Amino acid sequence: DAGVIQSPRHEVTEMGQEVTLRCKPISGHDYLFWYRQTMMRGLELLIYFNNNVPIDDSGMPEDRFSAKMPNASFSTLKIQPSEPRDSAVYFCASSFQGYEKLFFGSGTQLSVL
Amino acid sequence: KNQVEQSPQSLIILEGKNCTLQCNYTVSPFSNLRWYKQDTGRGPVSLTIMTFSENTKSNGRYTATLDADTKQSSLHITASQLSDSASYICVVSGGSSNTGKLIFGQGTTLQVKP
Repeated sequence: DAGVIQSPRHEVTEMGQEVTLRCKPISGHDYLFWYRQTMMRGLELLIYFNNNVPIDDSGMPEDRFSAKMPNASFSTLKIQPSEPRDSAVYFCASSFQGYEKLFFGSGTQLSVL
Repeated sequence: KNQVEQSPQSLIILEGKNCTLQCNYTVSPFSNLRWYKQDTGRGPVSLTIMTFSENTKSNGRYTATLDADTKQSSLHITASQLSDSASYICVVSGGSSNTGKLIFGQGTTLQVKP
């Protein structure tokens, strides 16, 4: 298995633009997580899905953030409109049966100018 | 408040030397504790997992310990190599494994110099 695949690896955009981050989880995993990592706050859970259904989105910072999981092999995290304070590394992770062991993707480095 | 605190924040050692990273937590109820290694530009990768009843667990040159009474864990790296340079993150799971929250530490950045 290729592991969790995220795209793009790097994204540079201007304030106000829409940003879409993509994730393909490991086949067979039933949980998918979106995390944000910054130097100041470390890793923060944004939202997670179980069997494609959003379970906990309490970490989503604002209405500008939205996440979808239309099927078991694909998820998106969208920021619209983007702001400079959204600049961070966004990780997608997947697991089988909950929090036992998370497998992280390589992340998307987002820079909002 | 559920918290995970790691020390030191950063560490520089010479290749071949040993080192120990610390993790103190106040997560309750406790389910398990994991140590992750995060290489620069990559996602975290799990090194070890420890449950309440486990005191020590090894993974090659990495040995994790857990004292559930004092709520402390350590990660000992033996005979360090340049490839050990990374950030090490302590993660505690509270509640049941399927629904509990993961509490992340801020990480310890380790630099191994030749």
